[in-house]
Amino acid sequence: TQLLEQSPQFLSIQEGENLTVYCNSSSVFSSLQWYRQEPGEGPVLLVTVVTGGEVKKLKRLTFQFGDARKDSSLHITAAQPGDTGLYLCAGGKGNNRLAFGKGNQVVVIP
Amino acid sequence: DAGITQSPRHKVTETGTPVTLRCHQTENHRYMYWYRQDPGHGLRLIHYSYGVKDTDKGEVSDGYSVSRSKTEDFLLTLESATSSQTSVYFCAISWGEDTEAFFGQGTRLTVV
Repeated sequence: TQLLEQSPQFLSIQEGENLTVYCNSSSVFSSLQWYRQEPGEGPVLLVTVVTGGEVKKLKRLTFQFGDARKDSSLHITAAQPGDTGLYLCAGGKGNNRLAFGKGNQVVVIP
Repeated sequence: DAGITQSPRHKVTETGTPVTLRCHQTENHRYMYWYRQDPGHGLRLIHYSYGVKDTDKGEVSDGYSVSRSKTEDFLLTLESATSSQTSVYFCAISWGEDTEAFFGQGTRLTVV
């Protein structure tokens, strides 16, 4: 059973459109992180959210942590081809083991 | 970028042979992790270390062993490689429990 479920698994959109991807769980997390991975590379950290209800912005990316600290969303405004990649969420439960979701594959078509 | 290096970057090996992958960090982070990434499965934790000579199993540890004799090096050994261990292996480091992880560039291992 996957601890973190990410949806949709695959999303293809046109440049300039907005998109939202989700990371859901039935477990409570002490923190949740989002990473982006490009082909042939390791995941790179984008953001960490810690407080329930927290919203963080990174240029055109908006990250939200659910009030109950069980889920998170990533919204991209006016997507660009450079946003293409695999977006991974990861949650910490205080046991030295970050749990990763399977990822949201995003493709932005020029 | 965090100073983390994996070697080799690519390896092809035969079934039944032992293989060792190396992860080297220059950040003096306490925690080090080995993950494998496979289509349809995402990133799965193999083993991790919370200090020199302190290691523990992850969710897919069968057939793998690790060692950490120095803060900067974490070795992953496939004792007798099988085709099911064909995968991309990532090393990651973090400074604290459940804190942000910094990943290496990965090792693509093919077992034939």
